[in-house]
Amino acid sequence: GQNIDQPTEMTATEGAIVQINCTYQTSGFNGLFWYQQHAGEAPTFLSYNVLDGLEEKGRFSSFLSRSKGYSYLLLKELQMKDSASYLCAGDQTGANNLFFGTGTRLTVIP
Amino acid sequence: GAGVSQSPSNKVTEKGKDVELRCDPISGHTALYWYRQSLGQGLEFLIYFQGNSAPDKSGLPSDRFSAERTGGSVSTLTIQRTQQEDSAVYLCASSLGGLRYGYTFGSGTRLTVV
Repeated sequence: GQNIDQPTEMTATEGAIVQINCTYQTSGFNGLFWYQQHAGEAPTFLSYNVLDGLEEKGRFSSFLSRSKGYSYLLLKELQMKDSASYLCAGDQTGANNLFFGTGTRLTVIP
Repeated sequence: GAGVSQSPSNKVTEKGKDVELRCDPISGHTALYWYRQSLGQGLEFLIYFQGNSAPDKSGLPSDRFSAERTGGSVSTLTIQRTQQEDSAVYLCASSLGGLRYGYTFGSGTRLTVV
């Protein structure tokens, strides 16, 4: 199985940079997803990392270290609309489903 | 359709009653998933359908839970004899053919058992 850990809540200031960490312990790990979920809405796909390193998509970047069982989501130039929960999820060989962490609720303040 | 559609969006039911939740996936998506999201919990996998293959039911928490997918499209999740601990948001997701394509989630059905 998988064990996915991420902080429960974070607060950051508009215009700043925030890093949301995720650690995982798993056998047969394939890759790691990040999803964004606004309150009362569907989770939406942000990124999928399979290889070590940083992948950048505009203001959002995601990093993976397979050897350390560690990932982070980096949000730059924070906007108020970035207030949401960010879900980290692992992909395991032989499993048909993703294994989700509890999510990190990010609050962006003026 | 353009997205994954779930109905109803909200459902309040009395303990002991049966409920049916519906998911209409994106046209052409062969894979369909049901997850449950409880307060303070991560998304919990329930069941997975892939084409005409037998579903992966390994996540269903009890035999009160069952799901069908008719004609490879619409899916119904049924919870019999609901209990208060069944209260959660039930999310459906579909994908083209596997995890690595990423999921598209519906907005979910918020189930409250009173």
